[in-house]
Amino acid sequence: DAKTTQPPSMDCAEGRAANLPCNHSTISGNEYVYWYRQIHSQGPQYIIHGLKNNETNEMASLIITEDRKSSTLILPHATLRDTAVYYCIVRLLWAGGSYIPTFGRGTSLIVHP
Amino acid sequence: EPEVTQTPSHQVTQMGQEVILRCVPISNHLYFYWYRQILGQKVEFLVSFYNNEISEKSEIFDDQFSVERPDGSNFTLKIRSTKLEDSAMYFCASRSDGNTIYFGEGSWLTVV
Repeated sequence: DAKTTQPPSMDCAEGRAANLPCNHSTISGNEYVYWYRQIHSQGPQYIIHGLKNNETNEMASLIITEDRKSSTLILPHATLRDTAVYYCIVRLLWAGGSYIPTFGRGTSLIVHP
Repeated sequence: EPEVTQTPSHQVTQMGQEVILRCVPISNHLYFYWYRQILGQKVEFLVSFYNNEISEKSEIFDDQFSVERPDGSNFTLKIRSTKLEDSAMYFCASRSDGNTIYFGEGSWLTVV
């Protein structure tokens, strides 16, 4: 799987959009970009994933650059409950039973009042 | 919404004792995982399990560890003789044939 780079920490005001970047310059054409988050002392939680088109769900939006070398997770109206560590993970389209998601340090997002 | 459930949520055990952590993965899922997270550290992969056998394991998963799926619903992690450094949050996870992995809330193990 391709390596990802994320800033160690960010902060955001409550109610504003939080934009979390991820660099994955070595991504290959059959790899998806996945985002998870971990709220303090809880299990990682799936947020969203995409291949090359922008994606949106009830939690967030994912913007992937045209060259696919970077992406941005957008929380459109951050709340205090969005304070968490956010992980960007790249994975193969299909890796069968041998797929092992690998978590780096992620970005610690603090949403303040 | 279906979820991965883990028990116990917190366990304190004496060094050298055996511990079994239990997980009920989401019912139609095929792939099962255990991860751990030492306080303040990254989430680390331990083992993956598919078709009733281990498919991958990390260096952490040594002979002290074992996994089992004794029936159609439970997935267990056993630590045979716990050490102080086994103190961590242990996460179970599962996925179907698709892409998304779902994690449980974790079992916090404290070895004293």
